[in-house]
Amino acid sequence: EIVMTQSPATLSVSPGERATLSCRASQSVSSNLAWYQQKPGQAPRLLIYGASTRATGIPARFSGSGSGTEFTLTISSLQSEDFAVYYCQQYNNWLLTFGPGTKVDIK
Amino acid sequence: QLQLQESGPGLVKPSETLSLTCTVSGGSISSSSYYWGWIRQPPGKGLEWIGSIYYSGSTYYNPSLKSRVTISVDTSKNQFSLKLSSVTAADTAVYYCARHSYGAAPAHYWGQGTLVTVSS
Repeated sequence: EIVMTQSPATLSVSPGERATLSCRASQSVSSNLAWYQQKPGQAPRLLIYGASTRATGIPARFSGSGSGTEFTLTISSLQSEDFAVYYCQQYNNWLLTFGPGTKVDIK
Repeated sequence: QLQLQESGPGLVKPSETLSLTCTVSGGSISSSSYYWGWIRQPPGKGLEWIGSIYYSGSTYYNPSLKSRVTISVDTSKNQFSLKLSSVTAADTAVYYCARHSYGAAPAHYWGQGTLVTVSS
């Protein structure tokens, strides 16, 4: 099983600031990495797939980078609606696994 | 607009079988381009992939649950289903159905989720 870790567990950011979230895989997943956003009481929403491709309708302030075992999600200028939990997921094989999440809250 | 909707009992007794159905609207479950999956999330915790199915019936399961899970598809009803046997309190979670692209892939569309509580 590929184990995903995320850091930090919680990130406190002021509106308008930049947020950088990290995700690490226990072995290489190539670019088979996705990021999801989840707000309380809602299903996760796909933000990024292929490590760096924005999903349909996702604003340009969200960007993803990385390959292999190290990945980053950057939110260039946090809006009020961006405060949420963010999960990474690897899909390099048929045991799909998620990271534990990073909560982005208001500083 | 593709929509997925989970349905089933919200309360299941320990040792019994949890059964959920996902009804797909706005698209065909028989499309050759997609897999259909189940993911769960215990209250206050992270996401766990349970398994996925292709319209032909081909399935992939999480090995940690494989002995207790069956996912099936009914193309005539545009539905797919989850059965999880011998449940315990640890199976209490919000269960989501989702659509992901062919192969091991991220889920672009999700249902709203349904909370299933395991309790006597």
